[in-house]
Amino acid sequence: GEDVEQSLFLSVREGDSSVINCTYTDSSSTYLYWYKQEPGAGLQLLTYIFSNMDMKQDQRLTVLLNKKDKHLSLRIADTQTGDSAIYFCGAQSSASKIIFGSGTRLSIRP
Amino acid sequence: NAGVTQTPKFQVLKTGQSMTLQCAQDMNHNSMYWYRQDPGMGLRLIYYSASEGTTDKGEVPNGYNVSRLNKREFSLRLESAAPSQTSVYFCASRDGTASDTFGSGTRLTVV
Repeated sequence: GEDVEQSLFLSVREGDSSVINCTYTDSSSTYLYWYKQEPGAGLQLLTYIFSNMDMKQDQRLTVLLNKKDKHLSLRIADTQTGDSAIYFCGAQSSASKIIFGSGTRLSIRP
Repeated sequence: NAGVTQTPKFQVLKTGQSMTLQCAQDMNHNSMYWYRQDPGMGLRLIYYSASEGTTDKGEVPNGYNVSRLNKREFSLRLESAAPSQTSVYFCASRDGTASDTFGSGTRLTVV
């Protein structure tokens, strides 16, 4: 079945770049998403990329998509303490549902 | 500009009790979704409604029922709560560009 996988934890130093990786199995996914969840809150859409694109940049965020390998990444430049959160990768399945990964908890070291 | 509103925010139930989680959106979205979030398992889809009057099972529908009351409202019902249903429940709605807007969640504990 459809699956989305991502590593559970990432720790980076403040000011460095963070790179969160994700793999998905459904090659027909048309949209791929990155959501951010802060403690006690719902998921907030950060960005999404259409499957015919290989890169999207939005201020400090860069999304790279390798459709051949079904690999998605989110790069956060100049990581700040406010970036501490859980980041979810999502792939839109053929049935117009989003399949989410388990989330990557990003922690920032001073 | 409320977006997606869920009630209640917190609930404690005894095993066997029933309750309904409410969700309403004011963005005129056609599609609405119920997810549950458990530690280490991310979000799993319980039920969804692609449009008013239709509902479909997601990944983990057992023990739940839903009602799409109108375009704005999509409720989730637990008929006989079990400890395995202890979770955080999120409602979401989607616009034509396929990006979900989430509510702030309902934290449910079944004892």
